[in-house]
Amino acid sequence: SQKIEQNSEALNIQEGKTATLTCNYTNYSPAYLQWYRQDPGRGPVFLLLIRENEKEKRKERLKVTFDTTLKQSLFHITASQPADSATYLCALGSGNTGKLIFGQGTTLQVKP
Amino acid sequence: GAVVSQHPSWVICKSGTSVKIECRSLDFQATTMFWYRQFPKQSLMLMATSNEGSKATYEQGVEKDKFLINHASLTLSTLTVTSAHPEDSSFYICSARDARYQETQYFGPGTRLLVL
Repeated sequence: SQKIEQNSEALNIQEGKTATLTCNYTNYSPAYLQWYRQDPGRGPVFLLLIRENEKEKRKERLKVTFDTTLKQSLFHITASQPADSATYLCALGSGNTGKLIFGQGTTLQVKP
Repeated sequence: GAVVSQHPSWVICKSGTSVKIECRSLDFQATTMFWYRQFPKQSLMLMATSNEGSKATYEQGVEKDKFLINHASLTLSTLTVTSAHPEDSSFYICSARDARYQETQYFGPGTRLLVL
């Protein structure tokens, strides 16, 4: 069955450092992969989308890579700030239905 | 742009009652909306896909008679939890797919349901 795994433990880093979050998947061939941010008690907020034929995408301090051979995506936040503290979800999608399969999320804590 | 609202944001009800949750896309048309459920410290689990003007498609294990979905217009979908029980207590989140950018979903703020 399809399986998505993100960093299982919470990630704690110091302000200013680069946070790197991992998303691995098996038994799936996604057409695209998305990253979302979710704050406690709130709905997810869309951050970035990367398609299967793209290797890397950037948006301000965010960078996403997508390796379909390794079946892995890496999500980087450079110059991290305490305001970046949240849970980050990766989601895989394919086809025309628009359905997404979510990973369990990684909680990032950026300490001042 | 791309704002999705949900109402109510939280609801407490007695066991056996029905609860209706509304999901609206405020500034775009959504031919497809999705309903998710999220338990504490777990990820989002897709419950059903709601297409405007047609019957919803439910994921395996989700009771369609328990979770009634109606998508009457391009900007509104409703989820009704019928005869709610304590095990239905959860965080329900909807998302809407912009007809112009079909790979992206915009999520509502969620509705927390507590069934006593």
